[in-house]
Amino acid sequence: DVKVTQSSRYLVKRTGEKVFLECVQDMDHENMFWYRQDPGLGLRLIYFSYDVKMKEKGDIPEGYSVSREKKERFSLILESASTNQTSMYLCASSLKGQGGGYTFGSGTRLTVV
Amino acid sequence: QKEVEQNSGPLSVPEGAIASLNCTYSDRGSQSFFWYRQYSGKSPELIMFIYSNGDKEDGRFTAQLNKASQYVSLLIRDSQPSDSATYLCAVKRGNTPLVFGKGTRLSVIA
Repeated sequence: DVKVTQSSRYLVKRTGEKVFLECVQDMDHENMFWYRQDPGLGLRLIYFSYDVKMKEKGDIPEGYSVSREKKERFSLILESASTNQTSMYLCASSLKGQGGGYTFGSGTRLTVV
Repeated sequence: QKEVEQNSGPLSVPEGAIASLNCTYSDRGSQSFFWYRQYSGKSPELIMFIYSNGDKEDGRFTAQLNKASQYVSLLIRDSQPSDSATYLCAVKRGNTPLVFGKGTRLSVIA
């Protein structure tokens, strides 16, 4: 089975802190994605990557950055955490191409206080 | 703006009945269609995908696609209380990111 592992299940951070969310997949998937999920707003795409060193902005990239130094690892960085970034963060990976359905990690529930 | 629309629900069905979940999408060039199930507090898991017009069956689940009408549906036969979850429809064109609907909450009443 494809596994997508997110480093933390729950995180509590203070406003202004720099926050790193890590995601690792073990099935050699080319594509990796970061979403946040909030009640009533659904899944919103933050950033995605089709290859090592590559990154593309999603629908809501403001306040976030990403890093993909290795194919299996995709990190989401909150440069200066704010309370409106309190959310469930979901990482996903997929094969390249039309048929690539996502496999999601278990999610990180981030609370910024 | 590419959109995927789903009725938010809740859709309530009695145990043993057929649950019918519907989804429409705006991008006529969409090529791949997916259904995810998400239990409360958990991440989405893929349950079905379909690429061609018509029906695709997998156990109690049937996905139906009508590209002319830009319509995808998921039927769950013999619904069980364990099927109670939010069902997310997602579509994509080529290697672009999936576009998700906001989901339909299904409640199966024992």
